[in-house]
Amino acid sequence: SAVISQKPSRDICQRGTSLTIQCQVDSQVTMMFWYRQQPGQSLTLIATANQGSEATYESGFVIDKFPISRPNLTFSTLTVSNMSPEDSSIYLCSVDRGPQETQYFGPGTRLLVL
Amino acid sequence: ELKVEQNPLFLSMQEGKNYTIYCNYSTTSDRLYWYRQDPGKSLESLFVLLSNGAVKQEGRLMASLDTKARLSTLHITAAVHDLSATYFCAGMAQGGSEKLVFGKGMKLTVNP
Repeated sequence: SAVISQKPSRDICQRGTSLTIQCQVDSQVTMMFWYRQQPGQSLTLIATANQGSEATYESGFVIDKFPISRPNLTFSTLTVSNMSPEDSSIYLCSVDRGPQETQYFGPGTRLLVL
Repeated sequence: ELKVEQNPLFLSMQEGKNYTIYCNYSTTSDRLYWYRQDPGKSLESLFVLLSNGAVKQEGRLMASLDTKARLSTLHITAAVHDLSATYFCAGMAQGGSEKLVFGKGMKLTVNP
C-alpha cells in the first residue's frame, strides 16, 4: 500500500490569490499525478509530475495556472494561481504502485474560492 | 484517446437485491480500476483488473473484465446500506504513462 498525505486538507480563499497544495508519499515513486474533482463531478487529470523534469499537463490545463514542483521522489506541490470561484474543487494527488497493486489517492484538498 | 463510460449513473436499490453496473471504454486499456468514494472522502481502491477474463471478488462486490468487448462489470450481491457510495471505473491509457481516465461515476443508494 501507499500512505499519501496532503496539506492543507481544506481551505477557503479569496479570488485572485494563490494556494499551494503539498503531497507527501511514504516511499519513492517515479510519477505523481494531480487530479481535480469539481463538485459532483468525476476526476480529471491535471498533470503528471516526474522528478527532475517538467510536469506534463493535460489538455485544458496550463503551467501558468497550475505550476507544479517535484523536488524529490516523495514530494510534490501543486499551486492554483490567480484563483476564481470556478477553481473550487477537490484536488487529489495519486501515485501508481504497479499493476499488482493499484493507483493510490491522497485524502484530497478541498478548496473553496469566494 | 481513451474514453470511459459508466452505466447507470444513478441507482437506487433495495437491500438484499442484486445488480450489475457497467463500464465501457473506447480503446485498448492496459488496466481497469474500480474505486469507491464516500461523500467528503477520497477514493478507495476496490479492484484492479489486468487481463481478459479477470474476475475479482471482495465481499458483496465482484468485478470482471472483457477486453474484447471493452467492458467491465461490477456486480453487487445482496446489497446492504453500507454499500451506498459513488463508484468510479477508470482505464489506464496505453503507452506507459500510468495516467487514468475516469468514468462519470455511479451514485448508489441502498435503501433498507
